[in-house]
Amino acid sequence: EDQVTQSPEALRLQEGESSSLNCSYTVSGLRGLFWYRQDPGKGPEFLFTLYSAGEEKEKERLKATLTKKESFLHITAPKPEDSATYLCAVRIKAAGNKLTFGGGTRVLVKP
Amino acid sequence: NAGVTQTPKFQVLKTGQSMTLQCAQDMNHEYMSWYRQDPGMGLRLIHYSVGAGITDQGEVPNGYNVSRSTTEDFPLRLLSAAPSQTSVYFCASSTREIYGYTFGSGTRLTVV
Repeated sequence: EDQVTQSPEALRLQEGESSSLNCSYTVSGLRGLFWYRQDPGKGPEFLFTLYSAGEEKEKERLKATLTKKESFLHITAPKPEDSATYLCAVRIKAAGNKLTFGGGTRVLVKP
Repeated sequence: NAGVTQTPKFQVLKTGQSMTLQCAQDMNHEYMSWYRQDPGMGLRLIHYSVGAGITDQGEVPNGYNVSRSTTEDFPLRLLSAAPSQTSVYFCASSTREIYGYTFGSGTRLTVV
């Protein structure tokens, strides 16, 4: 069965304290891995798409990487405005254009 | 450019009532989907569409109907609301070329 698991469920960081979020997946035929940011009361906001192992994408203090089994979202020197829930999702070749989401990681950055 | 627009933002229904959640996008996206988000369950796919006239079931389709008569609109119908359908509903759209989905701001539905 295709699965997407995110860890940890919650992360409390001090401002400036770098850390990484994990998204592990067991799927057949990965067509793309997606990272989203979701603020309370809002819809998910697209951050990155990764297509193949070894690929990396960066945006401000965020950097996403991909291996054959997992993806990491690195947050470098976070600021309080980076507080949000970060969602990982995969698109599978056999499932067309559907996305399967992990449970998310809630990040709180304290000043 | 409005993106993905969902209405209403909030709704309270009584058990057994029916209603339609509206979703419209102005980006000429072919693919549209409906998700529900529940605490501890993440985002789960209800129904999706790969183009006008084409729809298919997702992970949790029971109790919901969809149709796609135009590229822009993808309404979600609750046939007979149940308390288990209390959730936040998100509509999303994407193109073939740009695979990141754009999400609407959600509809918070409470069934009492």
